Amino acid sequence: QSALTQPASVSGSPGQSITISCTGTSGDIGAYKYISWYQQHPGKAPKLMIYEVSNRPSGISNRFSGSKSGNTASLTISGLRTEDEADYYCSSYTSSNIYVFGIGTTVTVL
Amino acid sequence: EVQLVESGGGLVQPGGSLRLSCAASGFTFSSYWMTWLRQGPVKGLEWVANIKEDGSEKYYVDSVRGRFTISRDNTENSLFLQMNTLRAEDTAVYYCATFRIGYFEKWGQGILVSVSS
Repeated sequence: QSALTQPASVSGSPGQSITISCTGTSGDIGAYKYISWYQQHPGKAPKLMIYEVSNRPSGISNRFSGSKSGNTASLTISGLRTEDEADYYCSSYTSSNIYVFGIGTTVTVL
Repeated sequence: EVQLVESGGGLVQPGGSLRLSCAASGFTFSSYWMTWLRQGPVKGLEWVANIKEDGSEKYYVDSVRGRFTISRDNTENSLFLQMNTLRAEDTAVYYCATFRIGYFEKWGQGILVSVSS
């Protein structure tokens, strides 16, 4: 099972919106609602930001939103802040009954 | 507050064994599926194994099936990962996490496992 495809890096200025894409196949992202996003600051554990495509856990800012179209999922961060600088990973359930992750996207706030 | 604390990592030679533990607190451990994930330098984040609330169902990624065993002790609020026949490619930070169908909700801080001669 191949990893999901994410851009290596995305950047934006404070206050701007950015979108991170996550491309899979009809056997993972395209087939299921079990798509999640994780934020990871250096030296820290990943933190759940979005689950089931577009749901936010309690305590997660509404500046974070998720969507899906076909085999591609997206995470949008609006009103970008310096504390949003981190690595972001997408994940999907697959038809092979396993979970796969993307390679990660580094978000830089200019 | 949910707390997950991993232990048992370290340096081991190829072919060796390690047993990771994860101490859980702040939630009703016996009501949650649990999972092990890892983050290595080559493969990045990788799901390793899941275990049902009562331990009756277990699932593994192909690369560890037959070598790793996930288990739990609900009386001790603990999750375990027995790792045998370790390979260099098993080198990673290992995380335990609570598992909801489709996502990994709360993560521990991680523990480093290095496989090298």
